[in-house]
Amino acid sequence: GESVGLHLPTLSVQEGDNSIINCAYSNSASDYFIWYKQESGKGPQFIIDIRSNMDKRQGQRVTVLLNKTVKHLSLQIAATQPGDSAVYFCAENSGTYKYIFGTGTRLKVLA
Amino acid sequence: DAGVTQSPTHLIKTRGQQVTLRCSPISGHKSVSWYQQVLGQGPQFIFQYYEKEERGRGNFPDRFSARQFPNYSSELNVNALLLGDSALYLCASSPGQANNYGYTFGSGTRLTVV
Repeated sequence: GESVGLHLPTLSVQEGDNSIINCAYSNSASDYFIWYKQESGKGPQFIIDIRSNMDKRQGQRVTVLLNKTVKHLSLQIAATQPGDSAVYFCAENSGTYKYIFGTGTRLKVLA
Repeated sequence: DAGVTQSPTHLIKTRGQQVTLRCSPISGHKSVSWYQQVLGQGPQFIFQYYEKEERGRGNFPDRFSARQFPNYSSELNVNALLLGDSALYLCASSPGQANNYGYTFGSGTRLTVV
C-alpha cells in the first residue's frame, strides 16, 4: 500500500552538530517531495522541497537528498540549534490531489 | 500578510454531536485541503477543494463532508462524532490545484470528543 515511512522515530543530537533525518517512500511514481517541521501546538511548516528530476537541493542550513533508486529521502540540518527541536515529516506526491505523510521523526537538540 | 487561519482553535464535543470547522486560506490561494492528524501520527488526507469543487477525497466515512465558498474559505463538517474523531484537524492552502505546490498549513483545530 501507499506509505511514507521513517527509520528513526526519535533523534537526539548535540547542539552544533549536524542532523540527518531519513525517510523511505514506497510509491516509485512519486515525483515531488516536501519536508515539514511541526512544533508543538502548531501546524506543519514547509522547510524544503525537491522534485524527482533532482538529487539534491540546498536551503538555508538544510539540504534534502533524493535517491530514487532506493526510494530514499533525507533531510540534513547543519549546525543544529535548539530551535530545530520539533517533529519532522516527509511527504510525497505523485501528481495527485493529496500528499502522503510519514509518521514523523522527533528531533531533540541537547544543550 | 495573514497565513492560513482556522477556527476554533480548540473544541470539545460529545459523541454523536456534529461539528463544523472553518478555514480561511492565504489571500490568492484557490485550493484548500483538509487533513486529520491523530496524536503521534502524520497528517492523513481528508479532502481537497479547488475553485469550489471537490477534487479529491481520502479514505474517510461519509460522516465527513466539506465545502468551499466563493471567497475560497472552507468548512469541514463531521456528523455523528465518534471518540476516534478526536484529532488535530489541519487546513492547508495552495495557489492552485496542481499538487506541485507546497502547502501552507494553519495551526489546526484541536477536536476532543468525549
